[in-house]
Parts: sequence; C-alpha cells; structure tokens
Amino acid sequence: DQQVKQNSPSLSVQEGRISILNCDYTNSMFDYFLWYKKYPAEGPTFLISISSIKDKNEDGRFTVFLNKSAKHLSLHIVPSQPGDSAVYFCAVADRGRDDKIIFGKGTRLHILP
Amino acid sequence: DSGVTQTPKHLITATGQRVTLRCSPRSGDLSVYWYQQSLDQGLQFLIQYYNGEERAKGNILERFSAQQFPDLHSELNLSSLELGDSALYFCASSVAGSVFETQYFGPGTRLLVL
Repeated sequence: DQQVKQNSPSLSVQEGRISILNCDYTNSMFDYFLWYKKYPAEGPTFLISISSIKDKNEDGRFTVFLNKSAKHLSLHIVPSQPGDSAVYFCAVADRGRDDKIIFGKGTRLHILP
Repeated sequence: DSGVTQTPKHLITATGQRVTLRCSPRSGDLSVYWYQQSLDQGLQFLIQYYNGEERAKGNILERFSAQQFPDLHSELNLSSLELGDSALYFCASSVAGSVFETQYFGPGTRLLVL
C-alpha cells in the first residue's frame, strides 16, 4: 500500500513556463516533506523541504506548497529551464516516529525547447 | 559530486549467488542509509546505520544484511539472490541521521541478477 503517491509518471512543460509536480500522502501523521531530484546515472539530490507548520516554502525558482487537509503537496518550478529535466521524488517523514523517509515513485519532468 | 562513493558501479551475477555492495559516506557524516530502486518503483528504504549501530530498518529482506564499520564505511550484503533483486541500490549519508538533515546520495550500484 503506497503511502506516498505521485500519480503522474511523466510531465512535459515548455521552457519558461511553470512546472507543477504533485504528490499525495495517506497518513496525516507525516509532518515533514521533501523533494529530491534525480538525473540519469546519478543519485538523487535534495531540492527543497517543508515542515507541516508551514504551507509554503520558497527557494529561488522552486516553491513547495503543502495542503494538510487534502494531504497534498506540490512543487512549482518557475520558470522551467532545460536543466530541470529530471525525475522528481516526493518524500515524507513522521518525525515523531522514526527517522525514515518514505519516497514516492517519482515523476519524470521533460522541459521542451 | 555528492562526496558519497559506491562500488561497484555495475554488478552482474546469477541467481543464488551472494554479493557485497560498498559505500563510503561523505567525510564527517556518521549516518549511512541504504535504498533499493526497482524498475518503476520509488526509492525503498532498506536500513540505516549511525556510527556503527543500526538505527532504523525498512523493507529489508532477511536475505539482506548490512553493517557499518569503525571507519564509517558500510556494506550491504545480498544473498541467495533472486531475479527480483535486480535493481539500483543507493547509499546515502548524513551528519547525524535526522530526517531534518539533507541526505547525500551516491551514484548507486546497478545489480543485475540473471
């Protein structure tokens, strides 16, 4: 049973436009949320995170939004650039329980020229 | 370059065999994590070590085991291999093993079981 769902396996966005990647989770006890980015033949790299006490966190072109009532988070990339083409993993954690991070299956983002 | 190294990069073996994957964490990091990424699957957390001690366990099969040595490098041992064990195995490290910390991932070891 998937606790973290990224329902779009892939997404294509025109360069310069906004990319929106979505993630749903099942357990309301999760209170820390992360996004990792992965290029082919490399390991994932941390992108941005958000705690459940906030509903938005911004870092340059990347913004993560958290909707706790809907158990939904999203990653916005504005403007999208060719180097953003990668697989994006959503991840969640329950800080009160353990130090495990649970990852989704990922969404492959293609930035079109 | 994350500073985390994994060897070997590729491994091809047969069913029933045993292999050892090695990971060296970033300098100064005390915690090591192992993940498995199968085809079309997300990163499945296997196990975490902190300063030589097991800290957390995920979906790790009994045929798999790991350890972290005094020099902080870690090994993941996979035995009685099955076709379904073919996957990318990632190691990650962080300073103290808290979820608040960034985990730095190595490039992975691609295991193919024939």
